[in-house]
Amino acid sequence: GQNIDQPTEMTATEGAIVQINCTYQTSGFNGLFWYQQHAGEAPTFLSYNVLDGLEEKGRFSSFLSRSKGYSYLLLKELQMKDSASYLCAVRDSNYQLIWGAGTKLIIKP
Amino acid sequence: IAGITQAPTSQILAAGRRMTLRCTQDMRHNAMYWYRQDLGLGLRLIHYSNTAGTTGKGEVPDGYSVSRANTDDFPLTLASAVPSQTSVYFCASSEDNYNEQFFGPGTRLTVL
Repeated sequence: GQNIDQPTEMTATEGAIVQINCTYQTSGFNGLFWYQQHAGEAPTFLSYNVLDGLEEKGRFSSFLSRSKGYSYLLLKELQMKDSASYLCAVRDSNYQLIWGAGTKLIIKP
Repeated sequence: IAGITQAPTSQILAAGRRMTLRCTQDMRHNAMYWYRQDLGLGLRLIHYSNTAGTTGKGEVPDGYSVSRANTDDFPLTLASAVPSQTSVYFCASSEDNYNEQFFGPGTRLTVL
């Protein structure tokens, strides 16, 4: 079967750094996506990794290790507006996205 | 229209009724998708369309049908709604099936 695992919830402090992990087992791999979803809103695209290594985009970075079936999203200089759910999704051999249940990130002042 | 829109925003529906959720995009994207999102579960793909005139089944297609008569519109129909179809439904589109997906604002559907 196909499986994407993420922690259900994490808490961090404003101004700090947080790492959200994602492990996956899928039928084929054609890239990994991270999305942000604020409560009651639609998911919005954050990052995409298809090769091993780190992709940096401002305060957000995403890392991929294909051999380990592992990715993380790193958020730096946390702001209150970063309170949201973060969704990990893997594109499988059929080019369809398999989604994790999401990690709810709570930012405290 | 800018981006991708869905209608209605929310709906309460009696079991057994027929319902069509509308989705329109103005980005000229080839691929479109319908997902449902339930608490504690990841987004689950219902149906997809890689290009106008073609559709395919996703992970949870039973009880749902779609059509793709043109590039812009991708309606989702529940032929006879059941309470287990209570969910938030998101429509999404992408330039092709290997690009990032853009999501509509969602439709919150309650079936009683």
